[in-house]
Amino acid sequence: GAVVSQHPSRVICKSGTSVKIECRSLDFQATTMFWYRQFPKQSLMLMATSNEGSKATYEQGVEKDKFLINHASLTLSTLTVTSAHPEDSSFYICSARGGHMNTEAFFGQGTRLTVV
Amino acid sequence: GQNIDQPTEMTATEGAIVQINCTYQTSGFNGLFWYQQHAGEAPTFLSYNVLDGLEEKGRFSSFLSRSKGYSYLLLKELQMKDSASYLCAVMSGGFKTIFGAGTRLFVKA
Repeated sequence: GAVVSQHPSRVICKSGTSVKIECRSLDFQATTMFWYRQFPKQSLMLMATSNEGSKATYEQGVEKDKFLINHASLTLSTLTVTSAHPEDSSFYICSARGGHMNTEAFFGQGTRLTVV
Repeated sequence: GQNIDQPTEMTATEGAIVQINCTYQTSGFNGLFWYQQHAGEAPTFLSYNVLDGLEEKGRFSSFLSRSKGYSYLLLKELQMKDSASYLCAVMSGGFKTIFGAGTRLFVKA
């Protein structure tokens, strides 16, 4: 399968600071990328969908000014958690899909964010 | 709205067969996925069904009935390493993939 690289895998930050998470498709062009968050023992909750070159579509209840998503190229999307608070501590995972919409999306390794 | 239901937990014995069910209600349908996820790791793809019927892939098989909004994942010859969460995910009419809460499978010796 295709490879999606997510960086960093773990990050600890102080409350009030911002953290940027990168998601790269290494061997295919990702026309669509998805960002999920997952709390312990819960499933993945879709936060937003981003298409290259356009604004991200956020799910209901997700603050777009707090979770900034940029999908500037066909191989890179970034999620920036701004003014992070302890309740933002979670596992964030990206997935990327290529040209055909009805195919699997490939997942990054995930980023464990801890806000102290 | 969209809703995906699957059992919270299941326990099975090594070498046995286990079936994990998933029912769904979505706005439009463009396929159903099953993923495996070990604790602290990203999900890994197991199967994709878009037409009715059974898809077999080694020890894992997945079934879909679109008219019933129902799928199951069948795991044969269970191994200890199969202990994980199994996520049912549905791609809606807008090609957005929504995940169920996952089924935690415990395989015992």
